[in-house]
Amino acid sequence: SQTIHQWPATLVQPVGSPLSLECTVEGTSNPNLYWYRQAAGRGLQLLFYSVGIGQISSEVPQNLSASRPQDRQFILSSKKLLLSDSGFYLCAWSDRPWETQYFGPGTRLLVL
Amino acid sequence: ILNVEQSPQSLHVQEGDSTNFTCSFPSSNFYALHWYRWETAKSPEALFVMTLNGDEKKKGRISATLNTKEGYSYLYIKGSQPEDSATYLCAFNFGNEKLTFGTGTRLTIIP
Repeated sequence: SQTIHQWPATLVQPVGSPLSLECTVEGTSNPNLYWYRQAAGRGLQLLFYSVGIGQISSEVPQNLSASRPQDRQFILSSKKLLLSDSGFYLCAWSDRPWETQYFGPGTRLLVL
Repeated sequence: ILNVEQSPQSLHVQEGDSTNFTCSFPSSNFYALHWYRWETAKSPEALFVMTLNGDEKKKGRISATLNTKEGYSYLYIKGSQPEDSATYLCAFNFGNEKLTFGTGTRLTIIP
């Protein structure tokens, strides 16, 4: 069966520090991968998606970036965090683009 | 900008009562409507995907209907139980493009 992992679970970072959140999927190949953010009081916002290794589409201009160095690995990064980057970050995968998505456990990020 | 709206934002229901809430979406170029359940401290879990007007899906005490012509979906929970407490998210595919999520309905079941 397929599983999706995210780490860390919780992170407190100072403004201006770098960020790296990792997501890995097991039990499937060529997954479509997604990064979402939920800010306080708001819905899930799509940040990035990837249909294959090295293929990244950005939905929202911001100081975040994503990379997919391996088929089942998706990384969310920032060089300098902003206060507004605080939120709950979810990684998800699907077999085909935009069909049922399966979510990881999430990372709660607090930027101080 | 495509908006998916869910109502109510939050709901308190007595254990044993039945309840329902709404997801509204643009009716043009519809592709699919998804429902997810998001329990506290867990990941969102897929409940249903519906693609055809008039679709009805059921999973235990939870069911959903779809009206693509008028752009809404209802989620019903029969005989609410404490374990039904969660945020229920709907998400909409427009022309097989990205999922656009609503802000959810937070359901609390009162024992």
